Amino acid sequence: DTGVSQNPRHKITKRGQNVTFRCDPISEHNRLYWYRQTLGQGPEFLTYFQNEAQLEKSRLLSDRFSAERPKGSFSTLEIQRTEQGDSAMYLCASSLRQLGRETQYFGPGTRLLVL
Amino acid sequence: KQEVTQIPAALSVPEGENLVLNCSFTDSAIYNLQWFRQDPGKGLTSLLLIQSSQREQTSGRLNASLDKSSGRSTLYIAASQPGDSATYLCATNSGYALNFGKGTSLLVTP
Repeated sequence: DTGVSQNPRHKITKRGQNVTFRCDPISEHNRLYWYRQTLGQGPEFLTYFQNEAQLEKSRLLSDRFSAERPKGSFSTLEIQRTEQGDSAMYLCASSLRQLGRETQYFGPGTRLLVL
Repeated sequence: KQEVTQIPAALSVPEGENLVLNCSFTDSAIYNLQWFRQDPGKGLTSLLLIQSSQREQTSGRLNASLDKSSGRSTLYIAASQPGDSATYLCATNSGYALNFGKGTSLLVTP
């Protein structure tokens, strides 16, 4: 399968613990995005990478959140000192911008529950 | 800041009906607009993407239109089936991040 994959699919953690999620994009895609979705809402943008460079971060991304994309391949999103308000679905998407056109393809998401 | 609104929030129709989902946005300076489908607890599946220079796109029983000047898009689903039951999201792209509406939850009853 050449789609976007995310691991783990589900994560339950206790408040105050650190968690890390991984996203493997479609192999030839140079752009990678992270979004967060809470119940009944549309996804909200968190951050994006072009190759290995992190070009934009939303104000939603507090200093407890950090994202990396070493070597421009897979990406990790870490949340330190988790809070109950971090409970959400974390979605990763990748894209390849060609001739001014771009379609973002989403992974299945990682559902986080902070107790 | 781009605001995307989807109406109705929820819709229930009997199988076989044609239906229209609406999406409006406040900033017409967009590159494209995408319609997605999301099944409960799952990720997003891209259905149709309309470039800002286009008026509509079609895929099978789905047709999406875009009126950029009025800030509106519609998703038309013909001959609905129970398998179409899902949440449908529209999203505008003004550079990199997608701006999503809250979605329309569709239930097609047999």
